[in-house]
Amino acid sequence: QKEVEQNSGPLSVPEGAIASLNCTYSDRGSQSFFWYRQYSGKSPELIMFIYSNGDKEDGRFTAQLNKASQYVSLLIRDSQPSDSATYLCAVNPGNDMRFGAGTRLTVKP
Amino acid sequence: GAVVSQHPSRVICKSGTSVKIECRSLDFQATTMFWYRQFPKQSLMLMATSNEGSKATYEQGVEKDKFLINHASLTLSTLTVTSAHPEDSSFYICSASGGQETQYFGPGTRLLVL
Repeated sequence: QKEVEQNSGPLSVPEGAIASLNCTYSDRGSQSFFWYRQYSGKSPELIMFIYSNGDKEDGRFTAQLNKASQYVSLLIRDSQPSDSATYLCAVNPGNDMRFGAGTRLTVKP
Repeated sequence: GAVVSQHPSRVICKSGTSVKIECRSLDFQATTMFWYRQFPKQSLMLMATSNEGSKATYEQGVEKDKFLINHASLTLSTLTVTSAHPEDSSFYICSASGGQETQYFGPGTRLLVL
């Protein structure tokens, strides 16, 4: 079992819809969770991080964490074509960070 | 804040030469820097973790004598690809952490070995 699992996609949503990206992790002791966005040919950029169970909102983005289910998700409201990218989930189980393989999101105009 | 730069952004070299890539944290002190490699359409692969003033910790399968890492100061880490070969062609990305857990990525260096 991979440490961090994501659906590779592609996930396609129409412009204006909600995009839902999911991630599961194996290390129950993980304390911090991150979402990065990576455009094609570019390096990842941090979108948000979350430490506590529940929801954390930042603009159009909402991260959701459920430690009991070892599940973290990212919702993107009012999706825009510029949101089309690969979204990486990252989990810090201790001293380092482990990345999922990423989910490719396409937002169609 | 939390800006990380990399230089060069792109390099083309002949097989057998060595290439040095610099990673700098511009507005914070990076106690830990990470080096990743990413092949086309694949996920990030952690190569090594370096702490300022100490030897880097390499991931399994990464040759420490081929990928030399120096983290001489709290704002600079370098990766030297020694005797580069075409199979080393990849996108090399560094990230830096300033003591908190969040990693901030540099823009990456695209290496092409002919």
